[in-house]
Amino acid sequence: NAGVTQTPKFQVLKTGQSMTLQCAQDMNHEYMSWYRQDPGMGLRLIHYSVGAGITDQGEVPNGYNVSRSTTEDFPLRLLSAAPSQTSVYFCASSSWGDGNYEQYFGPGTRLTVT
Amino acid sequence: KQEVTQIPAALSVPEGENLVLNCSFTDSAIYNLQWFRQDPGKGLTSLLLIQSSQREQTSGRLNASLDKSSGRSTLYIAASQPGDSATYLCAVRFMDSSYKLIFGSGTRLLVRP
Repeated sequence: NAGVTQTPKFQVLKTGQSMTLQCAQDMNHEYMSWYRQDPGMGLRLIHYSVGAGITDQGEVPNGYNVSRSTTEDFPLRLLSAAPSQTSVYFCASSSWGDGNYEQYFGPGTRLTVT
Repeated sequence: KQEVTQIPAALSVPEGENLVLNCSFTDSAIYNLQWFRQDPGKGLTSLLLIQSSQREQTSGRLNASLDKSSGRSTLYIAASQPGDSATYLCAVRFMDSSYKLIFGSGTRLLVRP
């Protein structure tokens, strides 16, 4: 099992550009989510999904879109990058509904917006 | 407001010491609590998951306890090694916001050879 994978590892964008951060898991987890980690702010939830076709907003969803067309994949789209979106982005997955909920994280994508 | 607090923010100990990291949370209605390790520039590695019905979990030199009524968890590391140096994060899944983990700000541990 590869677990949770993310691409790219690093990305530099100019203000106003758009891009998609990729996330995939091979554990057949229903739940997937995106967090961002910022110094002094900790980890904050951006969007999450409890199954294919189901997504919802977390704490800091503005400027980001998600979709979940398959169980395995949960891409995060930045619509028009802003310097405030400079951060490290983590994708996570877990089972859902069985009471376990142990969360597994990907290695992260370090994004810089200039 | 549901919050998770970790004390101390940083800790430096000589190799071989036993140590305790603390985590407190504001609401006892939780599904579970999870301890993670994060190395610089890396992702989060799950160390231990304690369900709300459990009092402790053990993995190797690590032991995590949970006291829901007092809103506290401790992570005990026995016989610390330089390779244990990392940031340790505590995260709680509260019952009325079960779709997310709420993280503490972490304890940065340095184990000196």
